[in-house]
Amino acid sequence: AQSVAQPEDQVNVAEGNPLTVKCTYSVSGNPYLFWYVQYPNRGLQFLLKYITGDNLVKGSYGFEAEFNKSQTSFHLKKPSALVSDSALYFCAVRGDSGGYNKLIFGAGTRLAVHP
Amino acid sequence: DVKVTQSSRYLVKRTGEKVFLECVQDMDHENMFWYRQDPGLGLRLIYFSYDVKMKEKGDIPEGYSVSREKKERFSLILESASTNQTSMYLCASSPGLAGGPGANVLTFGAGSRLTVL
Repeated sequence: AQSVAQPEDQVNVAEGNPLTVKCTYSVSGNPYLFWYVQYPNRGLQFLLKYITGDNLVKGSYGFEAEFNKSQTSFHLKKPSALVSDSALYFCAVRGDSGGYNKLIFGAGTRLAVHP
Repeated sequence: DVKVTQSSRYLVKRTGEKVFLECVQDMDHENMFWYRQDPGLGLRLIYFSYDVKMKEKGDIPEGYSVSREKKERFSLILESASTNQTSMYLCASSPGLAGGPGANVLTFGAGSRLTVL
């Protein structure tokens, strides 16, 4: 069965510092991995995805994520955090075997960037 | 620039009432989804649809039904609302081509926060 774990409920980081939001996954076959962000009082927005190819994926708003097959991880990163990055971040996965584009989401990690 | 519209942002209903949540997308997407979002549980898939009049159960379909009579519209129905259905409901859509560049890139609506008293 597919599953996603986001081990941290909340991540606190000072503005200007690098940030990492962690995600590990379990899936049959090759993974399709995604990050979505939810700003306060808004719907979720797509940030980036990994399907195949380069392990470092670049996305919107300066975010990137690193796929690590041996550690079954897909951590979200940004070199220099902004206060406006404060939001709820969701990792999602699907396998490449069957299913109708069905994504499984993690529980979410709240990122708080302090001035 | 609104692409997925959920008809109600906030609803308050009583136990036993029938509740309709409407969702409309203007991107000609084949796939549409209903999720519920609860703190600490993330998003859980209730139902999805990959074509008109087609539907598939997600992970938590009990107590819910759906309707997709037109491609752009996907409705979530709570036949008899209960207090444990108090939640944020998110509608989303995505292109149908599994291997295409837009595959699994969901566009979400703003959400409908339902309170059942």
